[in-house]
Amino acid sequence: QSLLTQPPSVSGAPGQRVTISCSGSASNIGAGYDVHWYQHLPGTAPKLIIYGNNNRPGVPDRFSASKSGTSASLAITGLQAEDEADYYCQSYDSRLDGFVFGTGTKVTVL
Amino acid sequence: EVQLLESGGGLVQPGGSLRLSCAASGFTFRSFAMTWVRQAPGKGLEWVSFMFGPGGAPFYADSVKGRFIISRDNAENTLYLQLNNLGVEDTAVYYCAKLEGMESYNYAMDVWGQGTTVTVSS
Repeated sequence: QSLLTQPPSVSGAPGQRVTISCSGSASNIGAGYDVHWYQHLPGTAPKLIIYGNNNRPGVPDRFSASKSGTSASLAITGLQAEDEADYYCQSYDSRLDGFVFGTGTKVTVL
Repeated sequence: EVQLLESGGGLVQPGGSLRLSCAASGFTFRSFAMTWVRQAPGKGLEWVSFMFGPGGAPFYADSVKGRFIISRDNAENTLYLQLNNLGVEDTAVYYCAKLEGMESYNYAMDVWGQGTTVTVSS
């Protein structure tokens, strides 16, 4: 059972904006640990798209993220067909003394 | 180019063992912590284990503690994961990833391999 909760799915038309929430607790996001975000297409290697809460490693600036309290969120603006994938948040949990992933969100481009 | 290539997956019976390998290239392997992540069929990503660059005490998820052993050979630029006493719940694609960051608890997984598939079935 993951300690980071995400909505199972979000969808939007091309060009629209979608957001994905990542809800944690005082032992992970709320403790101040960084949140990272990954894009994963089935059958391929996951890709880091946001690190350190809001930094982009060479990905389009259509992707942005924020963190507040015990939650974080990823926003995709100007949605494109190629953005259709699964997205995961990730942080560290002090109670487990290890990394934790969110439950994952499937983004569908209508 | 930074690359990670996993190997060693396959079909194994419950209770069996397997050793996965992750060959690294394009970066100074010994300087970076490395991790294993898995994805069971139809499920999300699950962190499994990580180890610092020079070695030292490894870290494990509760689900694999006492059964899996992470190790590395910095001379061969290779990360390993020994899987013991496997159960059907260990069936998954196993990915290795390079860790990046200033503090270990804030590490991000910045480079991933393509994964190797482990199937536990009788």
